[in-house]
Amino acid sequence: EPEVTQTPSHQVTQMGQEVILRCVPISNHLYFYWYRQILGQKVEFLVSFYNNEISEKSEIFDDQFSVERPDGSNFTLKIRSTKLEDSAMYFCASSDDLYGYTFGSGTRLTVV
Amino acid sequence: KQEVTQIPAALSVPEGENLVLNCSFTDSAIYNLQWFRQDPGKGLTSLLLIQSSQREQTSGRLNASLDKSSGRSTLYIAASQPGDSATYLCAVTVGGNKLVFGAGTILRVKS
Repeated sequence: EPEVTQTPSHQVTQMGQEVILRCVPISNHLYFYWYRQILGQKVEFLVSFYNNEISEKSEIFDDQFSVERPDGSNFTLKIRSTKLEDSAMYFCASSDDLYGYTFGSGTRLTVV
Repeated sequence: KQEVTQIPAALSVPEGENLVLNCSFTDSAIYNLQWFRQDPGKGLTSLLLIQSSQREQTSGRLNASLDKSSGRSTLYIAASQPGDSATYLCAVTVGGNKLVFGAGTILRVKS
C-alpha cells in the first residue's frame, strides 16, 4: 500500500535556528499538505500545495514558514528562526478524491 | 468557521463490547468526512472516508455513518479488542481541500 514518508522522525533544534522537514508524498496524488499538532491540542492545518504553488494557508503559516517541492518527489517545510512554541508534531499528507487523505508518521520537532 | 466536536472525550470499555463514537460539525458544507486512528506519539491512520453524498461506509468491524444535514457522524466499533485502544479523530474536508479536526476520543479497551 502506498505511503507518505517523513524524515526525520525526531528533530531537536536550538531556538533561532532553521529547520527543514522532509516528506515524500504518494506519487500520483496532486494535493500536498502540512499539518501540526501541539501536544494535547487538535491537529491543525498549516498549508496546502497544488500544481507547484500554495493553494491555501492558515493564519499560522506566516513568513517564518515556507514550502517547496524541489523535485518530482520531495515536499519540504522550512521553519526559520524557530521559537519554543514551534515545538510540535508536524504531519505531511497527500490526498486524492477516491481515498481521501494519507498522512505520514510525523516529525516531532523539539525547540530548546 | 467550521468547528468539529467529538463526544465522549474518553471512553473505557471491557473487551468485546460494541461502542459508538460521536462527531458533530457546525457547517454542513463539507466535501467528505474521514475517521482516523492515532496511536500515542504516532501518525494518523485513515480508517474510513465518507463522501458527502454517502450515508455510511464499512470496513471490517468498523462502520461509519454520516448525516450531513444534521451535522453528525458516528463511528461504530463492533466486538472491541485491546488492540483498538487509541485516539480516534474525526475530520471534515472543507473549502480548499483542507481538513478540520475534532479533538478526538481516547478509547481504552480493557482485557
